[in-house]
Amino acid sequence: GENVEQHPSTLSVQEGDSAVIKCTYSDSASNYFPWYKQELGKRPQLIIDIRSNVGEKKDQRIAVTLNKTAKHFSLHITETQPEDSAVYFCAASKDGANNLFFGTGTRLTVIP
Amino acid sequence: DTGVSQDPRHKITKRGQNVTFRCDPISEHNRLYWYRQTLGQGPEFLTYFQNEAQLEKSRLLSDRFSAERPKGSFSTLEIQRTEQGDSAMYLCASSLKSSGTGEQFFGPGTRLTVL
Repeated sequence: GENVEQHPSTLSVQEGDSAVIKCTYSDSASNYFPWYKQELGKRPQLIIDIRSNVGEKKDQRIAVTLNKTAKHFSLHITETQPEDSAVYFCAASKDGANNLFFGTGTRLTVIP
Repeated sequence: DTGVSQDPRHKITKRGQNVTFRCDPISEHNRLYWYRQTLGQGPEFLTYFQNEAQLEKSRLLSDRFSAERPKGSFSTLEIQRTEQGDSAMYLCASSLKSSGTGEQFFGPGTRLTVL
């Protein structure tokens, strides 16, 4: 089955700096890669996703890049704000399959 | 509230007891998923329904676990003879299958504590 690894497990940045979280996956058939943000005690919420037919996707301060050859994808948050502090999870799945395989999460702390 | 809802939000039970959780997906979402999340980990897939049909089960879903979605709307997850290792957050998610993989919307979860 799919195995998703995520690094780092914790990340602290100064407000205004950029944050980068990286994930690798094992199944070359995976082609859908969402990122979820989970605040303490709250449900995971999708913040951005990418499919394997594109290499990069941006949404305001958030971007995701995908390298299919290397089987890794990354989340980039620019101009970080304190409200970006949360746990971020990457995930992977195969189109037509229905279960998401999640990474172990990155706890991001933005220091004001 | 038109999001995914789960009930109860918290459940404390003694080892060996049976528990049942309910999930109400977003209306018209035909796919419903159950995940389990333990502290410091990402959600782990348990099972998935398309309408009323249970189409996939993880090997994490032992024979003590059973899930149903009898009318293709709400779903229940039952755990029989609970064990301390079952303590976790049980998350439900739903999506609308149109073309490709639809976004999964998560509920707030049911936190189970087995004493």
